Amino acid sequence: AQSVTQLDSQVPVFEEAPVELRCNYSSSVSVYLFWYVQYPNQGLQLLLKYLSGSTLVKGINGFEAEFNKSQTSFHLRKPSVHISDTAEYFCAGMNTGFQKLVFGTGTRLLVSP
Amino acid sequence: DADVTQTPRNRITKTGKRIMLECSQTKGHDRMYWYRQDPGLGLRLIYYSFDVKDINKGEISDGYSVSRQAQAKFSLSLESAIPNQTALYFCATSDPRRADTQYFGPGTRLTVL
Repeated sequence: AQSVTQLDSQVPVFEEAPVELRCNYSSSVSVYLFWYVQYPNQGLQLLLKYLSGSTLVKGINGFEAEFNKSQTSFHLRKPSVHISDTAEYFCAGMNTGFQKLVFGTGTRLLVSP
Repeated sequence: DADVTQTPRNRITKTGKRIMLECSQTKGHDRMYWYRQDPGLGLRLIYYSFDVKDINKGEISDGYSVSRQAQAKFSLSLESAIPNQTALYFCATSDPRRADTQYFGPGTRLTVL
């Protein structure tokens, strides 16, 4: 079965510092990969997705992620974070055969001044 | 107006009560989903529907039922609520032509006492 792992439950970082949120997926099936963001008291919003093609994917709000097949990873990065980036971030994978999303457990990004 | 709406947004109920959570969408999507979110567990799929006559169980369907009243409406019921069903519930939709992207509602926070 498809699975997605987010190793860090919480990542504290200072404003304007770079950040990387880690995500690994199981390699048993072909996948589409996604990052969603959940701001406090809100629903989930798509940040970016990888379907095929270029392994470096750019998303909204200055985020980007790199698909690495050999390491089965899809880490999310931002070169300089803002206070407003404080949120929970979910990595998710989709099996192309069933069109269902499987979510990781989430990483809470805490940006402090 | 929001494309995916959920009612109620907050609900407190007692053990043994029947509860219905409602989801409506104006995106014209055929596919609809119900997830629950628990701290540290991410989002888990309860039920999904690919059209009005197609309803499928997700990974945690026990204790829940659903009804797809129309293309735009997908309701989740807890026949006899129990405290471990206390969670944040999200509805989502997707277009089968672009099944890679799901659109989420704002969530319903359910507390079972």
